[in-house]
Amino acid sequence: DADVTQTPRNRITKTGKRIMLECSQTKGHDRMYWYRQDPGLGLRLIYYSFDVKDINKGEISDGYSVSRQAQAKFSLSLESAIPNQTALYFCATEKQGISYNEQFFGPGTRLTVL
Amino acid sequence: RKEVEQDPGPFNVPEGATVAFNCTYSNSASQSFFWYRQDCRKEPKLLMSVYSSGNEDGRFTAQLNRASQYISLLIRDSKLSDSATYLCVVVNQAGTALIFGKGTTLSVSS
Repeated sequence: DADVTQTPRNRITKTGKRIMLECSQTKGHDRMYWYRQDPGLGLRLIYYSFDVKDINKGEISDGYSVSRQAQAKFSLSLESAIPNQTALYFCATEKQGISYNEQFFGPGTRLTVL
Repeated sequence: RKEVEQDPGPFNVPEGATVAFNCTYSNSASQSFFWYRQDCRKEPKLLMSVYSSGNEDGRFTAQLNRASQYISLLIRDSKLSDSATYLCVVVNQAGTALIFGKGTTLSVSS
């Protein structure tokens, strides 16, 4: 079984719809992250969390919200989806430590907003 | 200057070739550096960390030049399976998250 899972894997939605992307992990890591990846722009950080109920904005948080109610789960919401939120979304986890450790990514969610 | 810059490529090389990727970063206070690999439509995975003294893992060698704020990745004896996008990664200025370069695409052909 995968250590970091994301649901759904693919989603097509319409402008104005609310959508939630889920991330679950079995690695026992405290830190979790949401990124989006666009062609030519690379991976950009949306939100991150270092513990349950700890929420921090990343580089591009506008239009998104997150929830961390349990260590193993970190959900990303688009309250009112717009076409420029069409992208590949990745969740990642990292073990808490003094220095930076490896981040483990989920398989990604491909979101299309029409 | 963007936080992390890479030559996007693509680099098209034959099997057995040696290829080098370069990356520059803007935050002189950065302490941690990495190379990640991403296959087409897949998630990024850690290839190797980059240490101040330079480090090697099989055919892969990473170098760090703090004075020039420059990171490199050398791949020797390229294999078809090395075809992927290589992401240069630096810890952000606040020390709280990773900043990814846009990636350099490598295509190895037979």
